[in-house]
This record gives sequence, structure tokens and C-alpha cells, in this order.
Amino acid sequence: DAGVIQSPRHEVTEMGQEVTLRCKPISGHDYLFWYRQTMMRGLELLIYFNNNVPIDDSGMPEDRFSAKMPNASFSTLKIQPSEPRDSAVYFCASSLLATGGDEQYFGPGTRLTVT
Amino acid sequence: ILNVEQSPQSLHVQEGDSTNFTCSFPSSNFYALHWYRWETAKSPEALFVMTLNGDEKKKGRISATLNTKEGYSYLYIKGSQPEDSATYLCAAGRRALTFGSGTRLQVQP
Repeated sequence: DAGVIQSPRHEVTEMGQEVTLRCKPISGHDYLFWYRQTMMRGLELLIYFNNNVPIDDSGMPEDRFSAKMPNASFSTLKIQPSEPRDSAVYFCASSLLATGGDEQYFGPGTRLTVT
Repeated sequence: ILNVEQSPQSLHVQEGDSTNFTCSFPSSNFYALHWYRWETAKSPEALFVMTLNGDEKKKGRISATLNTKEGYSYLYIKGSQPEDSATYLCAAGRRALTFGSGTRLQVQP
């Protein structure tokens, strides 16, 4: 398996523009997680899905952020409109049904810069 | 959101030294404790997932222990090598993990 795939790897955009980050989880994994990593706050969970259904979005910063998972092999995280403070590395991760807390497999991340 | 703390924040050791770091988490409503290794410019990779009090796991020169009653886990590296240089993250939770801020390990050859 190719692992978790994210695109783009780098994104530079201007304030006010819409940004869409994409993730393809590992085939067969039931859970998909979106994380944001910043110097100030470290690695923080934004939202996670189970079988394509959003379960916990309490980490989503505000209404400008939205995430979807239309099928088992694809998810998007959208920021509209983007702001400079959204600049961060966004990771997607996936895992199997976690009866005992299965490990999460992280993608390479998307480095977002909003100018 | 859980309060997960790691110490020390950073550590510099010489090749061949053994080292250990600590992760503390709330002992109430414990479900699982994860350890991840994060090399610069890469993504976090899972080392261990532990759920049972007294659990001890080992992978090569790296091992971890878990005390759920007092809310801490230790990660040990025996005979550190330069390739062990990375940030070591712990995380606690059920599905929604809360990550600590990490311990940055630098091993000098």
C-alpha cells in the first residue's frame, strides 16, 4: 500500500482565497483524522471520521473550516476564506477500527502558507 | 481535551548513552496511550500503542512502560544512535488523541 496520500504537498495562497486540501487514506481503514501542526499549539486534532461520517469536529477552529468525506477513499479539508493565521502543516491520518486504540498512519502533510 | 505533558522538552546525549523520557496524562477515563517518532521533514510514525496498566512494549532498542493508575508512561532508548534523533510524541485518548508537545532528542556521534 502507498500509505496515506495527501495533496498538494505545499500550497501558497493569498488571504481571502479558498484552499482545499485532499487526503486518500489507507485502503480498508475505518477512521480518518485531520490534524494541524503549528509551533504555538503543536499537533492538534481538527476532525475525525468513522466510515465516512464526521464523529467529532470540536477541534475545527471556526466556520471557515469544513471537512467532507464523500467516500471511503477520499476526504477534503476546505478553508474559505483563508487567513494568514491558518498557515500551518495539515496532516491527514487513518487507522483501523480501534478497539484497543489502533495506531494512526500519517500522511506526509500539506504545508499551507497564507500571505 | 486531555492534558498530556511530556518532559524533558529536549535532550542532547552522546552516541551509546541510554535515555528515557516521560509522558503524563490524566489517569481517569484512560483508554490508550500512543508513542510516535517524528523525524524532521517527515510525518509521525507509530512506535507503540498501550492500553493495559503495567504494559511494557519493546521494539529493538526502544521500549515503553505504562502506569495508568498514576498516569504516566516512560519511553526508553538503550544505546542511543544518531539515527534515533527525532521528536518523540506521546498521545492519549480513545479515538480523538491529544498529543503532548514532544521531547526532541539529539544524539551526537
